[in-house]
Amino acid sequence: EAGVTQFPSHSVIEKGQTVTLRCDPISGHDNLYWYRRVMGKEIKFLLHFVKESKQDESGMPNNRFLAERTGGTYSTLKVQPAELEDSGVYFCASSQARSSYNEQFFGPGTRLTVL
Amino acid sequence: GQSLEQPSEVTAVEGAIVQINCTYQTSGFYGLSWYQQHDGGAPTFLSYNALDGLEETGRFSSFLSRSDSYGYLLLQELQMKDSASYFCAVRERAGTALIFGKGTTLSVSS
Repeated sequence: EAGVTQFPSHSVIEKGQTVTLRCDPISGHDNLYWYRRVMGKEIKFLLHFVKESKQDESGMPNNRFLAERTGGTYSTLKVQPAELEDSGVYFCASSQARSSYNEQFFGPGTRLTVL
Repeated sequence: GQSLEQPSEVTAVEGAIVQINCTYQTSGFYGLSWYQQHDGGAPTFLSYNALDGLEETGRFSSFLSRSDSYGYLLLQELQMKDSASYFCAVRERAGTALIFGKGTTLSVSS
């Protein structure tokens, strides 16, 4: 079974540019989460999809961040325009049904550097 | 507010036993999880406690005391490959996102 995949693995952009990160969850996983780890700090929640619907986007830092999950499959996270403080590692995770505990499977992350 | 506290670094030698503590303060509690991360790669699930007590999975065990808002990860018979970052994480309600601690860097030497 393929795990969670993310693309690209690294991205270096200049302040003011746009970047789009992609996450492909494990097939059949309805729950998809985006997290971010800024250097030296904890992994922080950004938002949660259940299928194609945004269940919780309370962690999104501001309106420069836009997440979508078309058709309830893969998800994209767009940062526009990027700022220096957006640098960090963006992780995607997926899990199965929410009625009972199911572990979240994480992707390898996208390392974003904004110069 | 929400906070999870764990030591920033732990060092040990091969074959030893190490315990990584985690105390949490959250508005809800559905379970405490532990994740391992090697060299900034994908965090990998290790264990989960929803009820008080000890859960054992091979060389790794995890403990929870809900009344103390406290848990720990116990790693036995340490190996060099156990050198990694270990994160405790709380889920406040079923299906919701994880709230992570800052992580503990474990260094195992020979």
